[in-house]
Amino acid sequence: AQTVTQSQPEMSVQEAETVTLSCTYDTSESNYYLFWYKQPPSRQMILVIRQEAYKQQNATENRFSVNFQKAAKSFSLKISDSQLGDTAMYFCAFMKTSGTYKYIFGTGTRLKVLA
Amino acid sequence: GAGVSQSPSNKVTEKGKDVELRCDPISGHTALYWYRQSLGQGLEFLIYFQGNSAPDKSGLPSDRFSAERTGGSVSTLTIQRTQQEDSAVYLCASSFTSGGKGNEQFFGPGTRLTVL
Repeated sequence: AQTVTQSQPEMSVQEAETVTLSCTYDTSESNYYLFWYKQPPSRQMILVIRQEAYKQQNATENRFSVNFQKAAKSFSLKISDSQLGDTAMYFCAFMKTSGTYKYIFGTGTRLKVLA
Repeated sequence: GAGVSQSPSNKVTEKGKDVELRCDPISGHTALYWYRQSLGQGLEFLIYFQGNSAPDKSGLPSDRFSAERTGGSVSTLTIQRTQQEDSAVYLCASSFTSGGKGNEQFFGPGTRLTVL
C-alpha cells in the first residue's frame, strides 16, 4: 500500500521569502503521479503543481516548484516570493497509474504567510 | 464553465438520522470521487465511479455508507443512522478519463456534516 507523509504540521514564512514544504511517500510502483494541492479557508482544493514520476525534470508553475527525488521518494514544494494569499493548508498526494485513480493524501501542512 | 458543486454546504443532523450529500461533477468528466476530511483521519478516499464500471467502494468505512451515481453524472452519498464520528467535511472530485495522463481531480467546496 502507498503512504504519504508530511512531517511539518505547521510552518510560517515572511512575505516575499521562500519556504519549502516536505513530502515523502512509499510505494512499490514504478510509475505514478504526485500532486500538491492548496486548501485555503474556503475549503476549495486547488491544484498547485503536478509531477510525473517518469519525468526527471522538476515541475515548475510560476512561483511554485518541486524537488522530486524518485530514489529517495521525496517530493518537496518550494514557494518563492511568498504572498499573503499563499496562506493555506497544503496537501501532498500520490496517484497510481493503474487500478483506482484515487489520491492518497498526506496529513497536510498549514502554512501561514506573515506580513 | 461551472466547477464541481456540492450541496448542502453545511448539514447539521441528529445522531441516528440519515443524510444525503449531493455532488454535481464538471460536465464531461467521467470519473467521480468522494473523500472525507476529518480532524483525526485527514483526507481519506471513500468511493470512486468511472463511467459505467462498477464503483470502487473500498474506502467506505461501514455499511452505513453508500453512494450512487445516476446517468453518469450526479452522485449522492448517503449515510444512514449517522454517528458523531461521521462529522467531517465530505469532498467530491471529478476528472476526465482516469489514469494515463495523471488527470487532475477538480474538487468541490465540500459539505460540512455535523452530527449532534
